[in-house]
Amino acid sequence: AQKVTQAQTEISVVEKEDVTLDCVYETRDTTYYLFWYKQPPSGELVFLIRRNSFDEQNEISGRYSWNFQKSTSSFNFTITASQVVDSAVYFCALSPTTRRQLTFGSGTQLTVLP
Amino acid sequence: DGGITQSPKYLFRKEGQNVTLSCEQNLNHDAMYWYRQDPGQGLRLIYYSQIVNDFQKGDIAEGYSVSREKKESFPLTVTSAQKNPTAFYLCASSTGLEAFFGQGTRLTVV
Repeated sequence: AQKVTQAQTEISVVEKEDVTLDCVYETRDTTYYLFWYKQPPSGELVFLIRRNSFDEQNEISGRYSWNFQKSTSSFNFTITASQVVDSAVYFCALSPTTRRQLTFGSGTQLTVLP
Repeated sequence: DGGITQSPKYLFRKEGQNVTLSCEQNLNHDAMYWYRQDPGQGLRLIYYSQIVNDFQKGDIAEGYSVSREKKESFPLTVTSAQKNPTAFYLCASSTGLEAFFGQGTRLTVV
């Protein structure tokens, strides 16, 4: 069984603040993928990043960065210098590499105030 | 443009009626999925299909049915057996490395 936990239901920050969204997962699979998706008010999920369980190297893409720690089963997402356009629901997800089945966390509603 | 099209965007159903949500993709993906989203509960998997003419139940399949007669299409029927169908429904297709989502259908029972 797989499980993804996003303990932060809602987060509010003021523009230009840094914010970290937490994600903790459980899986019995030895190889898996971790994902982050963004859901703006329009409803469509937008892919942000995929990380293979073999690759624990942190990644930075512009203002976004991801910290994968296999020892603590966490895959946290940080937005640096947040902007109002970052306001959305963010989902963390997990998928075994042997089958294509995404399990999502409950999401974190991020509100960035001007 | 390549992508996933869900229709309609908004759907109203009377209690006791079956209703079918459409999902079409032109990405040539083998795998397709249906998720249900309720406030504060994230996305829960209803059904998925890895290949044409084959599909499996997800975590909350009761009250739903699907078909996969064509690679491009994966319609979801919400039957009268689904006791609480009001929700946002998302369809996705996947390469295995990334899932692409439609814009969703918001179903309301009136």
